[in-house]
Formats: sequence, C-alpha cells, structure tokens
Amino acid sequence: GAVVSQHPSWVICKSGTSVKIECRSLDFQATTMFWYRQFPKQSLMLMATSNEGSKATYEQGVEKDKFLINHASLTLSTLTVTSAHPEDSSFYICSALSRGYEQYFGPGTRLTVT
Amino acid sequence: KQEVTQIPAALSVPEGENLVLNCSFTDSAIYNLQWFRQDPGKGLTSLLLIQSSQREQTSGRLNASLDKSSGRSTLYIAASQPGDSATYLCAVRIRPTSGTYKYIFGTGTRLKVLA
Repeated sequence: GAVVSQHPSWVICKSGTSVKIECRSLDFQATTMFWYRQFPKQSLMLMATSNEGSKATYEQGVEKDKFLINHASLTLSTLTVTSAHPEDSSFYICSALSRGYEQYFGPGTRLTVT
Repeated sequence: KQEVTQIPAALSVPEGENLVLNCSFTDSAIYNLQWFRQDPGKGLTSLLLIQSSQREQTSGRLNASLDKSSGRSTLYIAASQPGDSATYLCAVRIRPTSGTYKYIFGTGTRLKVLA
C-alpha cells in the first residue's frame, strides 16, 4: 500500500522558535496533501489543504502566517510553525491523496513547545 | 455545514463479539466515505473506502455500508479481537462551495476489546 512518512516524529522546542515538519509520499505522487491537528482524545481538525505548485488553502481560524505550508514537489509538503507558543503544542498529522482519491496518512508529529 | 457524528463515543466488549460502529453525516452530498483506525499516539490507517455510488465494502472481518440518503454509514466488525482495540474514525469527502475537496472527520469511537 501507499506509504506516507513524517519527520520528525516528535520535537521539543522553546517558545518563540520555528519548527518545520516534513510530509513525504514515498511511493506515489500526490498533488494534494492535507495537514491536520489533533488534540488529546479529540478528532482531527483540518488546518489546510496543500496543492503542489500553488498556495495552500487554509481553513477558517487557522493563521496562515503562523502555519506556513509549502508543497514544492509531488512528494513533499512542509508545515512550519513560526514563533511557536505552548498552545501550539499538539499532534500534527499529514495525509496525501492518491489518484484514487484515497487518503494515506503519515504517522504524525508530536510537537511540544516549552 | 457538514457535521459528522459517531456513536457510540466509547465501547467495551468481550473478545469474540460482533459489533457495529455508527457514523452519521448531515449533508448527503459526499463523494466518498472512509473508515480509519488510529492507535494511541499514532497516525491513521485506512480500513475501507466507499465511493458515493457504492453501498458497501468488505475487507476480512470488516464490512462498511453506506446509505447516502439517510446520511449514515456503519462499520461492522466480526469476531472482535483484543488487537482491534483502537479509535475508529470515519471521514466524508466533500467539496465546499468555494475551495477544493476536503475531508470532514467524525468524532471517533474508542473501542476496547477485552480478552
């Protein structure tokens, strides 16, 4: 089956710094990738839709200047959390859309901001 | 606005039982519905994908049905095992009036199968 990787799997950073999370589709090309945020014991909340070669589409209430998304190739999308604060601590999950319109998810990245 | 609800929120059953998880959505204009499994602290694993034109999909002990008109999907797990313990999420694919396709996730059902 299709594989999506995320790096890093976990990261701890200090308040005010920026963190970049990578999402890669390893064995298929994905023109569309999604970034989600998940709080403990809650469901996934869509943050933005990332389209290769174009600007990301952000959901209402998500700050585009704080969560920078770049989809530079058909296999890589990155999410950069800028000027991180403790309230940004969360589990971030990406997914890649196959040609059959099935979502394949990465293993997630746990971000802790101290 | 599309809302996806899953009932029950949590379920604990003895090993071997057959069980049904429910997913309801408020807007029937969906393109597909997908069931996922999530283990604690992990990403999501796709279980079954049902296109809007389909009624059901089967994979091993899992069977998912879709009734668009009533806004419902069920995931049937036969002969449950302790290894089935996880959170199960359903998601519908929609296309908003503005913007690209996206997925709306349900609230999840936390399943625990007791040995």
